[in-house]
Amino acid sequence: AQKVTQAQTEISVVEKEDVTLDCVYETRDTTYYLFWYKQPPSGELVFLIRRNSFDEQNEISGRYSWNFQKSTSSFNFTITASQVVDSAVYFCALSDRDMRFGAGTRLTVKP
Amino acid sequence: DADVTQTPRNRITKTGKRIMLECSQTKGHDRMYWYRQDPGLGLRLIYYSFDVKDINKGEISDGYSVSRQAQAKFSLSLESAIPNQTALYFCAAGGGEVIDTQYFGPGTRLTVL
Repeated sequence: AQKVTQAQTEISVVEKEDVTLDCVYETRDTTYYLFWYKQPPSGELVFLIRRNSFDEQNEISGRYSWNFQKSTSSFNFTITASQVVDSAVYFCALSDRDMRFGAGTRLTVKP
Repeated sequence: DADVTQTPRNRITKTGKRIMLECSQTKGHDRMYWYRQDPGLGLRLIYYSFDVKDINKGEISDGYSVSRQAQAKFSLSLESAIPNQTALYFCAAGGGEVIDTQYFGPGTRLTVL
């Protein structure tokens, strides 16, 4: 069965610190997608990234970077030089036929 | 973006009432989804639809039903609402040969008294 674990329930950092959000997944499928979504205090869900199971290249987008490692079934998300606007709940998700989300990590960035 | 809209945005109802939450999308995506969000549990999939004639149960379908009236419309019904169905409900739309990126609506906050 699919499962996504985000072990960090809450993280608090001071602005400009780097922070990594962990995501570990379980699936028996060889073809799957992994996602990260952001849910700011306003409540909407904002798509951040999608990776397919055959592409283990790390990706960087501005201050955001993602590290996908199939050997450890992990898809971690790093924010470099965090800002107050990064404060949100971040969800990791796994899909093959349906979709499973992790419980989310609440990130608070203090000024 | 899929431009997904949900109505109503907020609803308070009583135990035993029938409730329908509606979702529309304007980008022509084949797939639509309903999720509920509860504190500490993330989002859980209720139902999903790959096209008008293809409806599938998700992780927590008991107590819910859906209707895909058209490609652009996917409604969620609670036939007899109960208090533990109080949650934030999200609709999403997406597409592709496998599960593609899903774009979410703004959510409906449902309270069952």
